[in-house]
Amino acid sequence: NAGVTQTPKFRVLKTGQSMTLLCAQDMNHEYMYWYRQDPGMGLRLIHYSVGEGTTAKGEVPDGYNVSRLKKQNFLLGLESAAPSQTSVYFCASNHYEGVFRPEAFFGQGTRLTVV
Amino acid sequence: EDQVTQSPEALRLQEGESSSLNCSYTVSGLRGLFWYRQDPGKGPEFLFTLYSAGEEKEKERLKATLTKKESFLHITAPKPEDSATYLCAVQVYDYKLSFGAGTTVTVRA
Repeated sequence: NAGVTQTPKFRVLKTGQSMTLLCAQDMNHEYMYWYRQDPGMGLRLIHYSVGEGTTAKGEVPDGYNVSRLKKQNFLLGLESAAPSQTSVYFCASNHYEGVFRPEAFFGQGTRLTVV
Repeated sequence: EDQVTQSPEALRLQEGESSSLNCSYTVSGLRGLFWYRQDPGKGPEFLFTLYSAGEEKEKERLKATLTKKESFLHITAPKPEDSATYLCAVQVYDYKLSFGAGTTVTVRA
């Protein structure tokens, strides 16, 4: 059971380049999230999804887009990378069992550097 | 504005030296408070959920408590393997969590 898997684990981009981060979960979870983690600021929510085909903005959505075409996958896109987007990105998922279970499972993270 | 503040930012302990971490929150309509452990280069790992004031949860050397304004994570007789960053998060509404910046604990043998 792999849980939540993020691809890639590391990436260096030049300013203005685009890329897509992939998050895959094999737990049949309804809810998926993308966070960024910066020193001294904790985890901040970028976008989230409450089910296949749905997405919603979080706390810091500017400069990012997301898609949830399949239940198990949640993609995070950077259309034109900026140095301010240098961060560690985490994907998370959690599930619904008649009631919402907020104990999220996290991936291992993607360390992105924009130069 | 909802806020979650953790203190101290860093804590250095000798093995066996018990201590507590604090998570204070200013939110309206708390639905749940969560503690996570994060090792360097890894994603956060869920530890505890607390839902109401007075509630306590324990796991090995860790004990989490909750009041109406804050939560404490007590580490009893810590070992070097307890070294990690401990994150606190609150669920206010719908499906989102708001995280504090974390407390980095270092336990020396």
